[in-house]
Amino acid sequence: GAGVSQTPSNKVTEKGKYVELRCDPISGHTALYWYRQSLGQGPEFLIYFQGTGAADDSGLPNDRFFAVRPEGSVSTLKIQRTERGDSAVYLCASSLSGPQETQYFGPGTRLLVL
Amino acid sequence: EDQVTQSPEALRLQEGESSSLNCSYTVSGLRGLFWYRQDPGKGPEFLFTLYSAGEEKEKERLKATLTKKESFLHITAPKPEDSATYLCAVNAGNNRKLIWGLGTSLAVNP
Repeated sequence: GAGVSQTPSNKVTEKGKYVELRCDPISGHTALYWYRQSLGQGPEFLIYFQGTGAADDSGLPNDRFFAVRPEGSVSTLKIQRTERGDSAVYLCASSLSGPQETQYFGPGTRLLVL
Repeated sequence: EDQVTQSPEALRLQEGESSSLNCSYTVSGLRGLFWYRQDPGKGPEFLFTLYSAGEEKEKERLKATLTKKESFLHITAPKPEDSATYLCAVNAGNNRKLIWGLGTSLAVNP
């Protein structure tokens, strides 16, 4: 694919609901990253995958957040029992092999929890 | 503690008025410094990667430079379409994550 794609582009949900956000990285990129961005802030790191495994999940705020990448390509970020404070733009990025290399970002998913 | 600071927070220029954005960092063992541009409602768009002090990279009206303590993004004769937030991020040491600045919001008036 030409770039990183994310679906949906927008998601509105109610407090307490479960949501899944999808990321399709650049073909051949083994490293994949999830970030969260609030207005006026830089991206906040959530989790980094190397292949199928989570190499660093230290940014996940609590156990309501979980991410998978079962085949080393597409990744899904899952948020259980959503809270209003989860409202943000969720960004996905990929790089060829690791964080010392350039990360290319998708357009983001705008999540609004009512 | 590893830290990245960008200045100014906001900058307003007239079209054609050249200026520079600053990204200062305090990290151990720089492995890469990255500049991105972000337009409202979009993901960050990659501009430059710099790996060692003295390195410079250029693209159209933008030029990025790197020293041991900071990086500058020079904008020469900017146009209104250069209006965006410019983000700086650093990968250092054994960190598996990027450390991000808060960005500089640039507005170029016609």
